Amino acid sequence: GNSVTQMEGPVTLSEEAFLTINCTYTATGYPSLFWYVQYPGEGLQLLLKATKADDKGSNKGFEATYRKETTSFHLEKGSVQVSDSAVYFCALPTSNTGKLIFGQGTTLQVKP
Amino acid sequence: GAGVSQSPSNKVTEKGKDVELRCDPISGHTALYWYRQSLGQGLEFLIYFQGNSAPDKSGLPSDRFSAERTGGSVSTLTIQRTQQEDSAVYLCASSLSSGSLSSYNEQFFGPGTRLTVL
Repeated sequence: GNSVTQMEGPVTLSEEAFLTINCTYTATGYPSLFWYVQYPGEGLQLLLKATKADDKGSNKGFEATYRKETTSFHLEKGSVQVSDSAVYFCALPTSNTGKLIFGQGTTLQVKP
Repeated sequence: GAGVSQSPSNKVTEKGKDVELRCDPISGHTALYWYRQSLGQGLEFLIYFQGNSAPDKSGLPSDRFSAERTGGSVSTLTIQRTQQEDSAVYLCASSLSSGSLSSYNEQFFGPGTRLTVL
């Protein structure tokens, strides 16, 4: 079945630093790929998505490119802010029911 | 508009008691999902509803767990004879429909119910 592996955290960065959170997947076919974010005290929300190979999802300065060759969907941001401190989850659907499987989550802490 | 709501936000119960967790999805969303977020297991799928039917219950961890959905809207997750390992945050999500592997309908998550079993 489909699976996703995400780099472990926590990740601690200074403001304006470059961020990469690695995500690799195994899947049958070419499912959509997602990054979800969970800010402190808030619910899970979709950050960005890509629906086919070579697609680049972007939102709030974050980007991730669907790489079929390396089965990866790494999350990047050029200059992080304190407000980006959150837990980030890589995810993909596992069946036509749309149910999602998630990576283990990476906690990002950005210090001023 | 209103998002997905869940109640209660926090529930503390004693081992062996039954609990009911409620989810109100976004109006018009036919697909509804329950997930569980715990320290040891991360985020894991529990059950999926399309309308009032549950074609995928594969994530329910034991027969102590059950769920129903009525009127294609509100869903209730019931845990009988709770155990300490049931302690987790239970998340509900809804989407317009289930979509498919490559055509995704965004799932909107509720704030969760934090269950603590003493």
